[in-house]
Amino acid sequence: NAGVMQNPRHLVRRRGQEARLRCSPMKGHSHVYWYRQLPEEGLKFMVYLQKENIIDESGMPKERFSAEFPKEGPSILRIQQVVRGDSAAYFCASSPLSGGDTQYFGPGTRLTVL
Amino acid sequence: SQQGEEDPQALSIQEGENATMNCSYKTSINNLQWYRQNSGRGLVHLILIRSNEREKHSGRLRVTLDTSKKSSSLLITASRAADTASYFCATDLFIQGAQKLVFGQGTRLTINP
Repeated sequence: NAGVMQNPRHLVRRRGQEARLRCSPMKGHSHVYWYRQLPEEGLKFMVYLQKENIIDESGMPKERFSAEFPKEGPSILRIQQVVRGDSAAYFCASSPLSGGDTQYFGPGTRLTVL
Repeated sequence: SQQGEEDPQALSIQEGENATMNCSYKTSINNLQWYRQNSGRGLVHLILIRSNEREKHSGRLRVTLDTSKKSSSLLITASRAADTASYFCATDLFIQGAQKLVFGQGTRLTINP
């Protein structure tokens, strides 16, 4: 049973470009969470999705950021018109259930904006 | 915000010694989890302790939870160089049935050979 997969592992973008980060949850998991980690800091919640639904996006900036988890395929975190402040590690986690259950994290995507 | 705070921020000890890290949080929780993160890598889940539990063991790890003080501790016994990493506590926050984890800033643990 493969763990949570994220790709790419490293992504370099110039200011103004778009970044697309992908996350495939563990097999059998239908809940996906995205977190962002700035250097030397803990992870900050961004968005929680179930298949085809955004459940909680309270941690995601209103502008330029969007997330989806389609019926088929991976979850996508999309950042439009990236700025230097978007440089961070973005982690995806999945769980089989919501509520009181362990979230399993992927290896992360490290985004660098030049 | 309900953010956990780890203490100390950095800890450096000799191999073989025990390492203790503490975490405090602000509001009621259902469970608290500890994660390890090696430099530049993802998070590895270590232990989940539920609010009705006081202590839990896993190998060389011992976690305690004191809900009256809203604090938890992670003890690593007989430390090894491979234990060098950042350790984070995370509490769960439920809003409208949706769970999210709230992480502290982490403790950077260095084990010196």
